Amino acid sequence: KAGVTQTPRYLIKTRGQQVTLSCSPISGHRSVSWYQQTPGQGLQFLFEYFSETQRNKGNFPGRFSGRQFSNSRSEMNVSTLELGDSALYLCASSSGTALYGYTFGSGTRLTVV
Amino acid sequence: QKEVEQNSGPLSVPEGAIASLNCTYSDRGSQSFFWYRQYSGKSPELIMSIYSNGDKEDGRFTAQLNKASQYVSLLIRDSQPSDSATYLCAVNPLKTSYDKVIFGPGTSLSVIP
Repeated sequence: KAGVTQTPRYLIKTRGQQVTLSCSPISGHRSVSWYQQTPGQGLQFLFEYFSETQRNKGNFPGRFSGRQFSNSRSEMNVSTLELGDSALYLCASSSGTALYGYTFGSGTRLTVV
Repeated sequence: QKEVEQNSGPLSVPEGAIASLNCTYSDRGSQSFFWYRQYSGKSPELIMSIYSNGDKEDGRFTAQLNKASQYVSLLIRDSQPSDSATYLCAVNPLKTSYDKVIFGPGTSLSVIP
């Protein structure tokens, strides 16, 4: 079965712009979690969506937002980009519980210049 | 205190040796524990999950959990150069099934031929 699909793979944006990243989970999975990975901070939890509802949120500013559609696809948006937002953004798919671990997508590498 | 801590690394072992990776966590109520492997430039891949005290073996990998000591470890027997990667310890800190998974900073493992 198809894995977790993230698009685009790479993005270069300038400060102040906004960006939208997309994630399609494994077919049948209803939970999508988003993480930011940087060399200094490691994997940091952004938020988790289940059945179009945000169930959990990490400690990121309001510039980071997300949503989930009825087909479980999820998008995350970052507005007013800052240099520090440069990171690998990872989407994680699960059936609905984190008890059994995640399957990650390939990630979107965002560079802010 | 950070929620999930790991050996700072990098860890170097000769081919054929046992690699031992350690992880401690702060939330005593944590219920599920994971080890992910992340090759350079790739996304994390789930290799082991463990839920109860004791050892769990899967091929060359053994996960060990001690909830009283809040300690999780991963042993890799007969280490191979292909095991060279960063190993991420991850913990589901609370009892509700949809809580976020917290990742440690990772330990870089290098297996020397």
